[in-house]
Amino acid sequence: GENVEQHPSTLSVQEGDSAVIKCTYSDSASNYFPWYKQELGKRPQLIIDIRSNVGEKKDQRIAVTLNKTAKHFSLHITETQPEDSAVYFCAARDSSYKLIFGSGTRLLVRP
Amino acid sequence: DAGITQSPRHKVTETGTPVTLRCHQTENHRYMYWYRQDPGHGLRLIHYSYGVKDTDKGEVSDGYSVSRSKTEDFLLTLESATSSQTSVYFCAISESDGNNEQFFGPGTRLTVL
Repeated sequence: GENVEQHPSTLSVQEGDSAVIKCTYSDSASNYFPWYKQELGKRPQLIIDIRSNVGEKKDQRIAVTLNKTAKHFSLHITETQPEDSAVYFCAARDSSYKLIFGSGTRLLVRP
Repeated sequence: DAGITQSPRHKVTETGTPVTLRCHQTENHRYMYWYRQDPGHGLRLIHYSYGVKDTDKGEVSDGYSVSRSKTEDFLLTLESATSSQTSVYFCAISESDGNNEQFFGPGTRLTVL
């Protein structure tokens, strides 16, 4: 079945710098890749997603890139702000239409 | 937030007792999911439902059962709780299969002593 690996597990950046979180997946049939943000004590919420027919998608300060050949996708956050501090999860939809999540990245943005 | 509620929000129970968690939605979405969240493991799918009385297993289904008798309710039952089932449980809903956004409920923190 699908396996999703996420790196790094923790990431600390200075406010204003960029942050990059990377995920790899194993099932070449996967075609949908969402990213969720979870603030402390809150529920996960979708921040951006990408489908396999595109290589990049942007939404203001966040972007996601997908490399189908290498089976990896990345989340890029530019001009980070303290409110970006949270745990971020990547996921991939497997061939049986279920989402398989990565283990999460704890992002800390230092003021 | 999408119309999803979970009850109870917190529960402490003892090993060997049965526990039922409830997920209720007001969005009339077809798909409902139960996940557990543990440090270092992200979100792992326990069971999911693709319609009334239609359910299937996820990646960590042992020790859990589910039922969906109405579109709006999805119940997760631990027949005999064990300490390894101490976790935060999230319900999620989506209009269609995994290709559409999943909206998560507020979570239930379960402690099994």
